[in-house]
Amino acid sequence: AQKVTQAQTEISVVEKEDVTLDCVYETRDTTYYLFWYKQPPSGELVFLIRRNSFDEQNEISGRYSWNFQKSTSSFNFTITASQVVDSAVYFCALSLDSNYQLIWGAGTKLIIKP
Amino acid sequence: EAGVAQSPRYKIIEKRQSVAFWCNPISGHATLYWYQQILGQGPKLLIQFQNNGVVDDSQLPKDRFSAERLKGVDSTLKIQPAKLEDSAVYLCASSLVTGEQFFGPGTRLTVL
Repeated sequence: AQKVTQAQTEISVVEKEDVTLDCVYETRDTTYYLFWYKQPPSGELVFLIRRNSFDEQNEISGRYSWNFQKSTSSFNFTITASQVVDSAVYFCALSLDSNYQLIWGAGTKLIIKP
Repeated sequence: EAGVAQSPRYKIIEKRQSVAFWCNPISGHATLYWYQQILGQGPKLLIQFQNNGVVDDSQLPKDRFSAERLKGVDSTLKIQPAKLEDSAVYLCASSLVTGEQFFGPGTRLTVL
């Protein structure tokens, strides 16, 4: 069965600190895709990144970086020098090659204090 | 490029009333999804369309929920009659067949 676990329910840090959000996934498929979405207080889910199972290169986009490790089935997300605007709920998700439906983690609420 | 449009943004109804939500996906996106998101939880897929055909509606409570996507573009989701537990945000998303999903702003439904 497929599953995504985000063990951190809520994280609170002070602005400018670095923070890592954990995501662990389970699947027996060899082809799959991993995603991160951001849901700010306004409610709209914003796509951040998509990574396929054959590409283990880490990705950096400005202050955001993602670490994909197949050996530990993890796809962790790091925000460097956090800002108040980063406060949101962050969801990790998995989709399979068969139907592309998203299997969602429970989300991690990130609070950045000024 | 315009994003996914949804209306209304907010709706308050009494239980047993009917309600309908509308979604206009990103132009060219063949796949359209409706999700229900209850406060504090991740989105739950209700129905997935590809063009105007249903791919998966296994989690749609068909006794009260219905959805259609005429002409493979716009879609409507209806609840009739509404129950208290239907209070949630209803999200519409669209994607190319194999791509990432892009979400609309959602409709926040309150059933009193």
